[in-house]
Amino acid sequence: VMTQSPATLSVSPGERATLSCRASRSVSYNVAWYQQKPGQAPRLLIFGASTRVTGVPARFSGSGSGTEFSLTISSLQSEDFAVYYCQQYDNWPLTFGGGTKVEIK
Amino acid sequence: QLLLQESGPGLVKPSETLSLTCTVSGGSINSDIYYWVWIRQSPGKGLEWIGTVYHTGTTFYNPSLKSRVTISVDTARNQFSLTLTSMTAADTAVYYCARRSLSGELGIGYWGQGTLVTVSS
Repeated sequence: VMTQSPATLSVSPGERATLSCRASRSVSYNVAWYQQKPGQAPRLLIFGASTRVTGVPARFSGSGSGTEFSLTISSLQSEDFAVYYCQQYDNWPLTFGGGTKVEIK
Repeated sequence: QLLLQESGPGLVKPSETLSLTCTVSGGSINSDIYYWVWIRQSPGKGLEWIGTVYHTGTTFYNPSLKSRVTISVDTARNQFSLTLTSMTAADTAVYYCARRSLSGELGIGYWGQGTLVTVSS
C-alpha cells in the first residue's frame, strides 16, 4: 500500500511544495511520480525515486528509498497545479498512492 | 511518436462483460522491454492498476479483480485487450491503456487518452 500525504496542499505560486509518499513495506528505489491535470491522462515525471524524465523541468525533484519518498516542486508555476500520484513498481501488484492535490492558495 | 488508443463501448449494463481494445501505433508491441498495462480511474478518485501483459502473453492481475479480468495481446494487430466480467456500478471509470518500460525511463511513460465506461441499465 502506498499512502500519500497531505491529501490537499494549498500553495502560492512561487512557493515550494513538498509531497510525501509512504510504502507499507520496502520498495527500494522503485517509485515513480505522476502529474495529472483535469481531463488528462497522468504524465510520468520521476522514476527510480529521483530521476527526472526527459523534458521535465528541474524544479521537480524526487527523493527517498525504502518506505519514505517525497516529491518537491521548488517554485510552483501556474501549470504545476494538479494532482500528483506516487506508484511503486518493485513488486506485484503495482500500486498507486491516493494522490495529493496541489491547489492555489 | 507512440500512440495508444482505447476502443470499446461507453455504456455497459450491470452483470454484462466489458471488452476494450488498445491499438498501439508508432511502435511495436512485440518488444522485450515493455509491459502493456490497463489502469482505471473512477470518477473523482485515484488510479487503480487492473493488469499487465507482456508480448509473450504472460499476464499479471490485480488480486482484487483477478477473478473477473482477462488481458490478452495480439502482436499481429499490435493490440492488447481487456475483458472484465460481471460489471457493476463500481466498475464505472475511465479506463486507460498504457505502456510501462522495463529499461531506460522506467515507469508508465505512455498513456492512451482514456475511455469512460459507464455501467448502467
